[in-house]
Amino acid sequence: AQTVTQSQPEMSVQEAETVTLSCTYDTSESDYYLFWYKQPPSRQMILVIRQEAYKQQNATENRFSVNFQKAAKSFSLKISDSQLGDAAMYFCAYRRGGGGSNYKLTFGKGTLLTVNP
Amino acid sequence: GAVVSQHPSWVICKSGTSVKIECRSLDFQATTMFWYRQFPKQSLMLMATSNEGSKATYEQGVEKDKFLINHASLTLSTLTVTSAHPEDSSFYICSAKKPGQGATEAFFGQGTRLTVV
Repeated sequence: AQTVTQSQPEMSVQEAETVTLSCTYDTSESDYYLFWYKQPPSRQMILVIRQEAYKQQNATENRFSVNFQKAAKSFSLKISDSQLGDAAMYFCAYRRGGGGSNYKLTFGKGTLLTVNP
Repeated sequence: GAVVSQHPSWVICKSGTSVKIECRSLDFQATTMFWYRQFPKQSLMLMATSNEGSKATYEQGVEKDKFLINHASLTLSTLTVTSAHPEDSSFYICSAKKPGQGATEAFFGQGTRLTVV
């Protein structure tokens, strides 16, 4: 079974600074996807960034980027120029490749990010 | 777009009663939907995979007779919590997969907060 581990229950960062959230995963699959989701107090799940395992290039979305180390099974999220609105719970998630039921996600336990003004 | 809507957003019910939660894909047809449960300050755990026109596939440890899932149309899946008890109080979130392989992720509803008193 696949597992996702987030070793940082809480992190804090000063506004405008950079923070990195860690995530490791375990799988025997070669085709899979990794995601970072943000869950603000409203509890709506918001997709921050995705990474296809077959792509070597790290994904980037504006201030958000990942460091995908496939051999090490590591998938960290870097938030640059942190803003107060970035404060939320962040979940790392994994799914197998393919369609249908493979779109189900396995989540890590989450990292609560606090942004200090 | 890919909008998924859950109803109700929150519900309070008495112990022993049943409550139904709806998950609708508003602008696409979803042959596969997923139901997750999130206890306070915890991660999302997959409960079941809902397939249109067939029986749901439940994760290990999830009581299928207690959590009834019906996916009767391509835009609607329902989760009925039968004979609810206070320990069923949780946040329930659905996600829906668009047809084909165009989207790499399923899309989340806004969640339903269930409180059983």
